Amino acid sequence: DAKTTQPNSMESNEEEPVHLPCNHSTISGTDYIHWYRQLPSQGPEYVIHGLTSNVNNRMASLAIAEDRKSSTLILHRATLRDAAVYYCILKGGSEKLVFGKGTKLTVNP
Amino acid sequence: DVKVTQSSRYLVKRTGEKVFLECVQDMDHENMFWYRQDPGLGLRLIYFSYDVKMKEKGDIPEGYSVSREKKERFSLILESASTNQTSMYLCASSPMAGDYYEQYFGPGTRLTVT
Repeated sequence: DAKTTQPNSMESNEEEPVHLPCNHSTISGTDYIHWYRQLPSQGPEYVIHGLTSNVNNRMASLAIAEDRKSSTLILHRATLRDAAVYYCILKGGSEKLVFGKGTKLTVNP
Repeated sequence: DVKVTQSSRYLVKRTGEKVFLECVQDMDHENMFWYRQDPGLGLRLIYFSYDVKMKEKGDIPEGYSVSREKKERFSLILESASTNQTSMYLCASSPMAGDYYEQYFGPGTRLTVT
């Protein structure tokens, strides 16, 4: 499985934008970039995914670098409910999701 | 919204007991999965199923079996529970097979085997 690298932790203030980076320099041409998050004591929650183009949905935006070696999850206005561990995952050729350590996001009121 | 439910949030069982963990999804998804999550080890796939009565082993199937008699229900069975099966168990479902599709997770069952 291709690896991803994320910062261990990040902090944000409520109602400010948050940019969560992910490096995946060994990504293959057919790997999809998926983001999930896990709130305390809950199962993981799907956030967004993309292949080459930037993507938007009601939860977040995903910006993918032109060379696809990195991506950024953007939360446009962080709320306290967004405090979670965010996982960047490459999915290619396997049904399973491989979760790394992720980025623990703290949102300050 | 997709809903994946698991039969229990917390479960305590004794060593040697047979344990059933049930998972139900309400979105007519083809694929269903069982993972376990342990600190420092992330999520590990135990089994998945891409159709009724079909199953595939994941990375750590030893000590587990599964059953999928109906499309919406996927059961994980611990034939003889052991203390090293103490873990958080997560069920997920996905519309179809393939890298494009996302997975929807249940709330998890925290199983303690004493």
